Amino acid sequence: DIQMTQSPSSLSASVGDRVTIACRASQSISSYLNWYQQKPGKAPKLLIYAASSLQSGVPSRFSGSGSGTDFTLTISSLQPEDFATYFCQQSYSFPHIFGQGTKLEIK
Amino acid sequence: QVTLRESGPALVKPTQTLTLTCTLSGFSLTTTGMCVSWVRQPPGKALEWLALIDWDDDKFYSTSLRTRLTISKDTSKNQVVLTLTNMDPVDTATYFCARDIAATGPVGYYYGMDVWGQGTTVTVSS
Repeated sequence: DIQMTQSPSSLSASVGDRVTIACRASQSISSYLNWYQQKPGKAPKLLIYAASSLQSGVPSRFSGSGSGTDFTLTISSLQPEDFATYFCQQSYSFPHIFGQGTKLEIK
Repeated sequence: QVTLRESGPALVKPTQTLTLTCTLSGFSLTTTGMCVSWVRQPPGKALEWLALIDWDDDKFYSTSLRTRLTISKDTSKNQVVLTLTNMDPVDTATYFCARDIAATGPVGYYYGMDVWGQGTTVTVSS
């Protein structure tokens, strides 16, 4: 199985900050990488697919980059509604394993 | 409008079999590229991908749970069913189903879960 490792596990930031979350795959996954946002008690929401493609309806302050084994999710200017937990997921091969999550908290 | 709704027991006993149903609306699993995945999340923990079934009835499973999981579909009812045998307290979690879309990529398909159900909480306890 391909393992996914996110860093950091938690992050404190302020409204307006630029934030970057990293995700590393245990082997090359090309651009087969998704990012999800999850708020407490809610289902996850797809933000980015194919490493850098913005899902319809997602604000443009969210962006994804990377290929191979190293990927990043960037939020250009944090908004109050962005404080949540973020998960990466590889879809290069089955099983489609998730990272352990990054909790983004208000500083 | 695409929706998915999970249903099943809220409480199961250890060693029992869990059967969860995902009822689909607004899309069909007979359409090329359409898939349904199941994902679970123990309280306070990360998401765990469980299984996927696609439009061609291909099925894929979590490596660690492969021997206990079965995914199937009933296209006439627009339902996907997940069974998990030999339930244990560590299987206590919220279980989600989601539409997973397969799009052609340079190497196989890109997948992404674009619409999710609200989740159903399952507790395993005697």
